[in-house]
Order: sequence, then structure tokens, then C-alpha cells
Amino acid sequence: QAVVTQEPSLTVSPGGTVTLTCGSSTGAVTSGHYPYWFQQKPGQAPRTLIYDTSNKHSWTPARFSGSLLGGKAALTLSGAQPEDEAEYYCLLSYSGARPDVVFGGGTKLTVL
Amino acid sequence: EVQLVESGGGLVKPGGSLRLSCAASGFTFSSYSMNWVRQAPGKGLEWVSSISSSSSYIYYADSVKGRFTISRDNAKNSLYLQMNSLRAEDTAVYYCARDKGVSGGSPDYWGQGTLVTVSS
Repeated sequence: QAVVTQEPSLTVSPGGTVTLTCGSSTGAVTSGHYPYWFQQKPGQAPRTLIYDTSNKHSWTPARFSGSLLGGKAALTLSGAQPEDEAEYYCLLSYSGARPDVVFGGGTKLTVL
Repeated sequence: EVQLVESGGGLVKPGGSLRLSCAASGFTFSSYSMNWVRQAPGKGLEWVSSISSSSSYIYYADSVKGRFTISRDNAKNSLYLQMNSLRAEDTAVYYCARDKGVSGGSPDYWGQGTLVTVSS
């Protein structure tokens, strides 16, 4: 099974910009991996922020954006707010006869 | 408003069984594939199982295949996970999640989760 890698932790200043990445042990991440991004705050369920690389849900703040960057999926937060401090997980889909999906290990984002 | 409410978690001994339920509302349940995703204490997320809208397609992670059974009752707007031969490593919060796609593995809405603890 593929391994999906994320930065264990990142720190951003309030109002600053930070990019979280999501890589795959099988090679470059492409749109065909249909990258997803989830936000999870302590004691809460995950919330889906981005699907299929760059699409936002109605509840996704405009300051979050998804893209492909340097062979990885990327989640960029522009204008960080204190409430953005959370764990962020990515999810990649691999071709196969079943939902062959793998979550990344998560990035703990601190806004400080 | 989409709502997913899990129930049925609790403490069970190794080798025991438990049945989780997920009550769905706010959308046409019978039109969506559904997922179970779990999270061990202090750990990341792990996809467990998916079921298509009509139950025609069912998938499991290798870690639970042969022990867990996913099912649904579209008349009751409910999703289930029957867990048998439970192990300590199955200890986790189990989330029910609606799928954005057709075959599962694309969660969009999540429930609040139910905790399963496997311990003697």
C-alpha cells in the first residue's frame, strides 16, 4: 500500500500564509489522485475542506485553496486566523477495483 | 441540513462483537454511497469500509476484511457496521461519512463519531 506523507507540524503567524503538502510514495501526485483535504480540531470530527485537488465546499473559508505543487498536492492558507489552528489531513485515491484511498499522517498547524 | 449520528460504541473484550449504527437525515440517503472511517486515539484517519447506494458494491480495508460487515437500510436511512473478532488495535473513534462519489472513499459530510474500546 502506498504511503502518503505530510509535514508533521507547521507554524504560521496570524495573517500569514502557509502551504501544507501531501506527497505519495508511488511518485508525483496528480489530479488523478483526486486529492482531498480535511480539517480536524481537537475533540471534533473531521471536516472536508477541499475535494478533487482544488474544489471547495460551501463551508470552506475563501482563505483556503488547493492545488498541485512540485509533484505534491498542496493546501494553502492565506491570511491565517487563530481558528485555523488544527490538524489537517490529506487523502489520495489510487487506481484499483475498490476505494483504494490512503490518508496522510496529518499536519499539526499552529497559528502563533 | 445533512446530519449523521453514530451510535453503538462502547467497551468490548478482545474477540467480542459490536454493531455500530449511523442515522442519516437531511438528504436522500438512498442516493449516496457511505463510508466508515476510524481514528485510533492520538492517531490519524483510516478508511475502513464503503457501501454503494444500493448495496451493490461493498469494500473493506485489508485490516478489517473478514471481521467487519457494512450494511445499510435505505428505508430506515441507516448505515451499520457489524464488528466481530475485535482486537485491541480496533480501538478507535468510528466516523460515518457520506460519500461524494459513487464507489466510496470520497467523504464529504461526517458524523461526530462513536468510540469503540477493545480491552480486557
